[in-house]
Amino acid sequence: DAGITQSPRHKVTETGTPVTLRCHQTENHRYMYWYRQDPGHGLRLIHYSYGVKDTDKGEVSDGYSVSRSKTEDFLLTLESATSSQTSVYFCAISEVQGDTGELFFGEGSRLTVL
Amino acid sequence: GENVEQHPSTLSVQEGDSAVIKCTYSDSASNYFPWYKQELGKGPQLIIDIRSNVGEKKDQRIAVTLNKTAKHFSLHITETQPEDSAVYFCAAPLLGGGYNKLIFGAGTRLAVHP
Repeated sequence: DAGITQSPRHKVTETGTPVTLRCHQTENHRYMYWYRQDPGHGLRLIHYSYGVKDTDKGEVSDGYSVSRSKTEDFLLTLESATSSQTSVYFCAISEVQGDTGELFFGEGSRLTVL
Repeated sequence: GENVEQHPSTLSVQEGDSAVIKCTYSDSASNYFPWYKQELGKGPQLIIDIRSNVGEKKDQRIAVTLNKTAKHFSLHITETQPEDSAVYFCAAPLLGGGYNKLIFGAGTRLAVHP
């Protein structure tokens, strides 16, 4: 299995509170991604990174920010969580661009916003 | 941008039968089409992919076919087994912007009954 660790794996929080999810990789892959998974929508790309301090928006980036200060860590922050952000969040990594190489996914972080 | 539609959303088969899942995409320039399998409580894993220069690719009991004219591709699983029960996602690249990302379909939940 690819060395990807997501933390926390489960979190319950209240509307309006900030939340940070962490993705840590030991593979030294260049590209990192955050997806959210919701019933009926599959996996939707939130943000991605193509290098340290290089990030860009995905399909559903509103309400989310990311940071990548080291190759191995990619943080996803919800500045003020809303109930619509209740979801399962997956981090993924790849050595090459997403359209030409395999994505390796973490085991997910389940977030519930009350 | 790319739009990927996947059908059916659920599929139930008897062990030993075949299963077929279909996806359509919108961007005729797309050139890479992977399939991911997600088992319960896990992150998705790549099971097979196809590039636009071939029409079919096989790997043991699974195969993927691509029709570029019609802009659709399909996953075929033969001699299904209970361990094939999972959620399957197709994907296609969102092109442009310098770094290409994968856009996923909504997923198909496959149940294989003994």
